[in-house]
Amino acid sequence: NAGVMQNPRHLVRRRGQEARLRCSPVKGHSHVYWYRQLPEEGLKFMVYLQKENIIDESGMPKERFSAEFPKEGPSILRIQQVVRGDSAAYFCASSPEPGQRRPNTEAFFGQGTRLTVV
Amino acid sequence: AQSVTQLGSHVSVSEGALVLLRCNYSSSVPPYLFWYVQYPNQGLQLLLKYTSAATLVKGINGFEAEFKKSETSFHLTKPSAHMSDAAEYFCAVSVFTGANSKLTFGKGITLSVRP
Repeated sequence: NAGVMQNPRHLVRRRGQEARLRCSPVKGHSHVYWYRQLPEEGLKFMVYLQKENIIDESGMPKERFSAEFPKEGPSILRIQQVVRGDSAAYFCASSPEPGQRRPNTEAFFGQGTRLTVV
Repeated sequence: AQSVTQLGSHVSVSEGALVLLRCNYSSSVPPYLFWYVQYPNQGLQLLLKYTSAATLVKGINGFEAEFKKSETSFHLTKPSAHMSDAAEYFCAVSVFTGANSKLTFGKGITLSVRP
């Protein structure tokens, strides 16, 4: 019964390169959330996706960042032309379909991808 | 919009002493409240959650938290600290808006346990 799997665990990129972070949700979960954790700060919401749809991207930077959750395969968070300020831990969480009148009350977190931009 | 305040960034207790980690929230609608623990270089693990049932919530590893609406608080406690409790603790709030249950986190508190 695998939990949320994120890879790679550590990623080093030079400024200007692209970073691709992958997240495989808990089997059967159709909702994925991405969060970013900067040093000395809590996690900040970035984007919420369901299969093939972006539902809420209010926390995504306007440029260089994109996310997808295709019908098949993992969710991908993509950062183009990375800069030093993108260095952070990126966490993915998944949750099941909520029941009618019953919210999702628990999100399961992966171990994160720690991105270092040099 | 909702927010979470965790006062102080670091708490240090002796092994066997009471653990008290404070969390205050702000929400315009009834909230759902969570405490997560994060060990170094690990992901977040859910300790406990409040979802409008009992106001005193018991979680894993002997932790519990009490929801106090009048004080907008959800403080985390444990009667007797253990060395293995040393970690970072995050309080988070969520509101039910359809299927979207995104979490708003506090900045976290690092708990140290002295022998």
